Amino acid sequence: GDSVTQMEGPVTLSEEAFLTINCTYTATGYPSLFWYVQYPGEGLQLLLKATKADDKGSNKGFEATYRKETTSFHLEKGSVQVSDSAVYFCALLRGSEKLVFGKGTKLTVNP
Amino acid sequence: GAVVSQHPSWVICKSGTSVKIECRSLDFQATTMFWYRQFPKQSLMLMATSNEGSKATYEQGVEKDKFLINHASLTLSTLTVTSAHPEDSSFYICSARAGSSDGELFFGEGSRLTVL
Repeated sequence: GDSVTQMEGPVTLSEEAFLTINCTYTATGYPSLFWYVQYPGEGLQLLLKATKADDKGSNKGFEATYRKETTSFHLEKGSVQVSDSAVYFCALLRGSEKLVFGKGTKLTVNP
Repeated sequence: GAVVSQHPSWVICKSGTSVKIECRSLDFQATTMFWYRQFPKQSLMLMATSNEGSKATYEQGVEKDKFLINHASLTLSTLTVTSAHPEDSSFYICSARAGSSDGELFFGEGSRLTVL
């Protein structure tokens, strides 16, 4: 079945450091790929998405590129801020079927 | 974006009692709502899909008689954990979809259940 694997956390960085959170997926066909973010005490929010190969999703300085050849959708940000501290979830959606989530990666950014 | 609210955000109950968790879409009508369960350091696992006015569709391995889902209106779905036991302790999250089947999902902030 469909699955999403993302890097184990937690990840701790200093402010202005470069961030990469790896995500790979297994799915038949052409799923849509998502990154969700969960700030402390809040619900999940859609951060960015890509619906086809080579698409790049971007939002709030974060970006991720849909790589079909490597079945990956790694999340990157060039310079993280303390306010980026949250749990990040990679997810896929095939057709109108259910979202499949990775386990989440907790990011802590220190000043 | 649209707002989905869950209540209560945290509940502690005794073993054998039932607990109801509400999920409300505050500024849109949700034709479909989803209930997830999240264990520590684990993925969100879909428990069931509910459509307004019809019976919920449960994922394999989820006991429908234990986790009762009601979606009586376009803005409210409830999850009732019946005869709760300590192994039911978890983080329960709902999400709601507005409009078409490819509409964006909006998530509640989650409800943490602890069964003593």
